[in-house]
Order: sequence, then C-alpha cells, then structure tokens
Amino acid sequence: AQSVSQHNHHVILSEAASLELGCNYSYGGTVNLFWYVQYPGQHLQLLLKYFSGDPLVKGIKGFEAEFIKSKFSFNLRKPSVQWSDTAEYFCAVTPSGGYQKVTFGTGTKLQVIP
Amino acid sequence: EAGVAQSPRYKIIEKRQSVAFWCNPISGHATLYWYQQILGQGPKLLIQFQNNGVVDDSQLPKDRFSAERLKGVDSTLKIQPAKLEDSAVYLCASSEGTGRKVYGYTFGSGTRLTVV
Repeated sequence: AQSVSQHNHHVILSEAASLELGCNYSYGGTVNLFWYVQYPGQHLQLLLKYFSGDPLVKGIKGFEAEFIKSKFSFNLRKPSVQWSDTAEYFCAVTPSGGYQKVTFGTGTKLQVIP
Repeated sequence: EAGVAQSPRYKIIEKRQSVAFWCNPISGHATLYWYQQILGQGPKLLIQFQNNGVVDDSQLPKDRFSAERLKGVDSTLKIQPAKLEDSAVYLCASSEGTGRKVYGYTFGSGTRLTVV
C-alpha cells in the first residue's frame, strides 16, 4: 500500500519569502500525485496534479511542484508567498492503475506573516 | 458547475447516539468517496463507491459505520452508535475518473461532527 510523508508540520514565513514544502511517497509502481490546499474554514481544493510527462507541474495561484522519481518526492514550491497563502497543504498519491485509492499526507500548516 | 453538496454542516451529538450525513456529488461523477479528517491529521478514506458499488471499505469501522449509494448518485454515511473518537470532519468527494485515471477529487465543505 502507498503512503505519504510530509515532514514539515508547521511552517511560518514572512510575506515575499520563498516556499518549499516537502512530500515523499512510498509505492513501488507508477503514481499520480496531487497537492491540495485547505484555507481556514473552507474545503479542500486542488492546487495541482501530476499524471505523466513534464515532471515540473504548474498549478493555480503561482504554485508549482516537481516530481523527482528517483527521490520519490513531489515538493511544492512558490517563489514569493502572500498572506493569503496561509492555509494547510496536503500532498496525496494514488497508484496510476486500477481503482484510485488516494492516500493523503498529514498536512503542513503554512502561516504567512505580513 | 455545482460543487459537491454535503449536509448538515455541523452536528453535535452525545456518545451512543446515531447520526447520518448526506452527500450529493457533482453530476456525472461516477466515483464517490467518504473521508474522515480528524483534527491535525490528513483525510483518511473510509469508503469509495464506483457508481453504486463499493470499491474499497477496508478502513470503515463496519461495527458502527455504514454507507450506501443506492442509485449511484447521492450517498449517506451513518454512525451508530457514535463514540467520542468519531469527532471529526467528514468529507465527501467525487471524481470523474474511472478505471486507470483519476482527475483529482472535488471535495464538499464537510460535516463537522462533535461527539460529547
């Protein structure tokens, strides 16, 4: 079975700082990868996804993520964060074949200080 | 398009009582999921439906939890009897992905359950 690790539980940044949130997964086959964001009081929203092809994926609101197969990683990045990026971020993985059981990481809380 | 609808938004019950949650997925989405998100943790899959059939319920506590999706559209999740540790947000999601591809979930706003 697949698993996902998010090593940073709580990150605090000042506005305009660069962001990188770590995500590592464990699975022996090919995978689909996702980053979701949950703003305070709101439901989970898809930020970006990787299925195949270019390992550098661009998502909404200036976020991007890079799939490094050799490292089983899918880190989320943003060059300059804003106060409105304060939220919880979840990495998720699903095997590419068969039924799509999606496994989420435990999440990283990002707090951006104005 | 309309999103995933869930009701109620909040529910407070006493332990040993029963409770039911309702979900209406996005029209045309064949796959429906119920997740449990305990405070401080990531969502945990409880049950996955493909149309009206159960694909995965391996993490559903079947002694107290049940779910159905009779006509392959909306779904209900029931807890009977509830325990204190069932306090969580129950998320419903749907996906248009079938077979080998998933296109990402669309989540509902969730139902926040507090068991006292």
